[in-house]
Amino acid sequence: AQKVTQAQTEISVVEKEDVTLDCVYETRDTTYYLFWYKQPPSGELVFLIRRNSFDEQNEISGRYSWNFQKSTSSFNFTITASQVVDSAVYFCALTTQGGSEKLVFGKGTKLTVNP
Amino acid sequence: NAGVTQTPKFRILKIGQSMTLQCAQDMNHNYMYWYRQDPGMGLKLIYYSVGAGITDKGEVPNGYNVSRSTTEDFPLRLELAAPSQTSVYFCASSRRLAGDYEQYFGPGTRLTVT
Repeated sequence: AQKVTQAQTEISVVEKEDVTLDCVYETRDTTYYLFWYKQPPSGELVFLIRRNSFDEQNEISGRYSWNFQKSTSSFNFTITASQVVDSAVYFCALTTQGGSEKLVFGKGTKLTVNP
Repeated sequence: NAGVTQTPKFRILKIGQSMTLQCAQDMNHNYMYWYRQDPGMGLKLIYYSVGAGITDKGEVPNGYNVSRSTTEDFPLRLELAAPSQTSVYFCASSRRLAGDYEQYFGPGTRLTVT
């Protein structure tokens, strides 16, 4: 069975601080995909990144970066120089190849960036 | 493309009433999903479909039914609504091409059962 754990329920930072959101996953499959979604206060789900299990390269997109480490089954997300607009709930999710590609979500981390 | 659309956006039901949540996608995706999101929680899969005419249960299917008569539409039926079904419902779709497993989400339907 697949499982995603986001141990940080809520994080509060001051604008311009860096913040890392943790994600730990469990799966027995060797081929899997990890995702991060953002859910702003408006409620929609915004796709941020997809990473497959064979690609452990870190990725940077503007102020966002992701660190994927298979050795620790983690896929952490860092926001550099946080901004108020980054305030949202962030979800980490996992799916495995084959079958229905069902997404298993973590419970989310609520990030509040204060001015 | 409109992507994934859901109607209605909001709905209040009385206990025991029934309703259908509509979901449509115009991306020719084979896979479609229904999730529910309870307050402070992640999303849980209700039902999914891998193509027209094929549906299967997810993690929390009780109290719901689905059908998939076309590629585009995937309605979710609530029978005998209960307060425990108060939630935000998200529909999603994906295509199954090599390397492309992103799920595209609709804007959600906020349902309250009182």
